[in-house]
Amino acid sequence: RKEVEQDPGPFNVPEGATVAFNCTYSNSASQSFFWYRQDCRKEPKLLMSVYSSGNEDGRFTAQLNRASQYISLLIRDSKLSDSATYLCVVTPGGYNKLIFGAGTRLAVHP
Amino acid sequence: GAGVSQSPSNKVTEKGKDVELRCDPISGHTALYWYRQSLGQGLEFLIYFQGNSAPDKSGLPSDRFSAERTGGSVSTLTIQRTQQEDSAVYLCASSSDRRSPLHFGNGTRLTVT
Repeated sequence: RKEVEQDPGPFNVPEGATVAFNCTYSNSASQSFFWYRQDCRKEPKLLMSVYSSGNEDGRFTAQLNRASQYISLLIRDSKLSDSATYLCVVTPGGYNKLIFGAGTRLAVHP
Repeated sequence: GAGVSQSPSNKVTEKGKDVELRCDPISGHTALYWYRQSLGQGLEFLIYFQGNSAPDKSGLPSDRFSAERTGGSVSTLTIQRTQQEDSAVYLCASSSDRRSPLHFGNGTRLTVT
């Protein structure tokens, strides 16, 4: 089983739609969680950290479910500019390296 | 301030040659990571340096791959006797500590012919 798993998509949604992605992780002792965004042929960039109590940043909401070992990202009122690949990132417990999921591709159309 | 700098941005090499890829992290960042990304694929962890601790080399795919970090700053990833399957974008990232997010460089696109 992969350490971090994501649905590759693509998710094709119209502008204004709400879309959610999940990511599961295998190590129950994982400590830090992030969502990164990667545009085509560009380097990944941090979208948001994921906190235990859940957190929101504008149209983006991140949730952590430790019992079920998954994190989620909700995007409200999708914009064309949200089209990208969204990468789930986890720090396995006891280790410092950050493990990336393979990413979920989102395509927002007019 | 300056971000993570990688060089070269592109490298084309013949199969069997050695290559060196360089990463200059953000000043003061103690953590440095190397990842690689093949076309259409996710990021594959290669190696992680944290301060003066022994690096985590668990992601290096073979003994042809090695990396150094001199003086806790600049890092060099060396691939010996390159193979075509080594073709990928090699990404370097740094962070101020293990709980902080990563800042990526633009990557080195390696093509082995």
